[in-house]
Amino acid sequence: DAKTTQPPSMDCAEGRAANLPCNHSTISGNEYVYWYRQIHSQGPQYIIHGLKNNETNEMASLIITEDRKSSTLILPHATLRDTAVYYCIVRVANNRDDKIIFGKGTRLHILP
Amino acid sequence: DTAVSQTPKYLVTQMGNDKSIKCEQNLGHDTMYWYKQDSKKFLKIMFSYNNKELIINETVPNRFSPKSPDKAHLNLHINSLELGDSAVYFCASTLNYNEQFFGPGTRLTVL
Repeated sequence: DAKTTQPPSMDCAEGRAANLPCNHSTISGNEYVYWYRQIHSQGPQYIIHGLKNNETNEMASLIITEDRKSSTLILPHATLRDTAVYYCIVRVANNRDDKIIFGKGTRLHILP
Repeated sequence: DTAVSQTPKYLVTQMGNDKSIKCEQNLGHDTMYWYKQDSKKFLKIMFSYNNKELIINETVPNRFSPKSPDKAHLNLHINSLELGDSAVYFCASTLNYNEQFFGPGTRLTVL
């Protein structure tokens, strides 16, 4: 079972920041928070991951609370192409035996 | 120069048939995976291979048999296809077990 809880859907206006929340209250000390997304009819795409510090890359920012029980993925300037299902995943990093368990994710609609 | 490719993209077949889906990655990764996404859109891991060695083998029927001829290829063979096998199958690969690169998927329809 997925170890994360996400809202089933969200809307965001094009050009605005999309903030996607995720709860992971049972996260272990050695587990990272990963985000993937799946655009309609495509394979999932890795976005970002982090342990406890905030992370930023060319796609998004990841903000993890100090107690690590929740996090927020931020798409700074959402475009229509960002419409997708976003998955928040908790797992041990760099571990070949630890598999990705996808939950139901959040369906993000970017509105024109 | 597709990173992870799968063939075929669509596969329609009758119950009871045997079929294979092929996956190839040109990223130089050591580890490859097969995932199944059912009609309810749940995405679940089936198998993973590292350098041709089976690492993860989830509870799937033994009608499903992965085969890795080399570390760039991971094929999925399915015997005696059933209606419930209809799904989209995704192949993926990784170098460091963090970022997984997924293929475009193979939509299997069993009639």
